[in-house]
Amino acid sequence: VQLVQSGAEVKKPGESLKISCKASGYRFTTHWIGWVRQMPGKGLEWMGIIYPSDGDTRYSPSFQGQVTISVDKSITTAYLQWSGLRASDTAMYYCFRRGVIEATSGTVAVDLWGQGTLVTVSS
Amino acid sequence: AVQMTQSPSSLSASVGDRVTISCRASQGIRNDLAWFQQKSGKAPKLLIYAASSLPIGVPSRFSGSGSGTDFTLTISSLQPEDFATYFCLQDNIFPLTFGGGTKLEIK
Repeated sequence: VQLVQSGAEVKKPGESLKISCKASGYRFTTHWIGWVRQMPGKGLEWMGIIYPSDGDTRYSPSFQGQVTISVDKSITTAYLQWSGLRASDTAMYYCFRRGVIEATSGTVAVDLWGQGTLVTVSS
Repeated sequence: AVQMTQSPSSLSASVGDRVTISCRASQGIRNDLAWFQQKSGKAPKLLIYAASSLPIGVPSRFSGSGSGTDFTLTISSLQPEDFATYFCLQDNIFPLTFGGGTKLEIK
């Protein structure tokens, strides 16, 4: 059971980017999968989440309209994309899984993380 | 969005100490609160879910308590590997929101 993210990226302001998070070892469609930003030396910021089964997507107001979260169920992969990067997008980005951690009670938790993708935006 | 206020932001302690970290939610979130540990350059690791439940493999020196708006993470006897940053996360309502983090340092 793991989430494996794509490698580090170096981009220029204004460029587009799509990073990925490949899930394996569990039923992809029945667990939410989302993204978190961590700017250098800062805390964790929840960006948004998607339910692969039906594509239901929720964003933090801080990131609504700034990024797009999507999935390709055929290859059990989630994506985070930007259409026009800014220097302030420089950060580490983590994907995570949110699903039922206790089957008997239906308790949900964020229980699995990717290793992180470092995105650097600089002219 | 639910605001999560975590305190303290930093903490110095010694091996063997008992430490407590708090999170307060701006509105009631039942027991939908998780705690994570993050070491430098690594992804967060789940320590506590549903306010007080330990995932398999997490040492029993970690415990969580609280419900509604006030929550606590306690480490009963600090070990050298526990020096890290800790975050709470409310998992009650979208958007999910993190506390600001507590950096636990060696005294």
